[in-house]
Amino acid sequence: AQSVTQLGSHVSVSEGALVLLRCNYSSSVPPYLFWYVQYPNQGLQLLLKYTSAATLVKGINGFEAEFKKSETSFHLTKPSAHMSDAAEYFCAVTSFGGFQKLVFGTGTRLLVSP
Amino acid sequence: GAVVSQHPSWVICKSGTSVKIECRSLDFQATTMFWYRQFPKQSLMLMATSNEGSKATYEQGVEKDKFLINHASLTLSTLTVTSAHPEDSSFYICSASRQGGNTEAFFGQGTRLTVV
Repeated sequence: AQSVTQLGSHVSVSEGALVLLRCNYSSSVPPYLFWYVQYPNQGLQLLLKYTSAATLVKGINGFEAEFKKSETSFHLTKPSAHMSDAAEYFCAVTSFGGFQKLVFGTGTRLLVSP
Repeated sequence: GAVVSQHPSWVICKSGTSVKIECRSLDFQATTMFWYRQFPKQSLMLMATSNEGSKATYEQGVEKDKFLINHASLTLSTLTVTSAHPEDSSFYICSASRQGGNTEAFFGQGTRLTVV
């Protein structure tokens, strides 16, 4: 069975500071990994995905994530937080390819202060 | 990007009644739709996968007779919670994909169901 663990249900940063949201996965087969963002009253939006190509994946809105097999991690980062980044972020994993049977983490709420 | 709309956004119903939630792909044809459930402070859990014109595939532990899924057209899937009970209260989210889940699945905004 696959799973993801997101450390920290809430992360607070100041505007302009580095954003680091942690995700560790468990999978017995090569995983496909995803980060989604959810703004209030909206659906989940895909930020980026890892599909066994480059280990450093760049996504939308300046976010990127690095796949580290040795650490079973796929942490999400952004060099400089913006107020508009405040949202809920979900990490997800699947072994099926594409977007089938995604297993989600519990989410991390990012709070950005002025 | 593609738009997926869920209706209603929230619903309150009495115990024992049935509730239908709609998931529509507004600007693309969705061959596959996924239904998730999210409990407070927990992750989204996949309930079932539905392909247009065929029966849904339910995940282990999901009662297919309780959660009826219909995907009768390429733009609409419905989830009906039958004989709802308070423990069915949850956040239900759908996503839709053009090609059997191999291309990006776009999410609806979710439906908050409260059974009283």
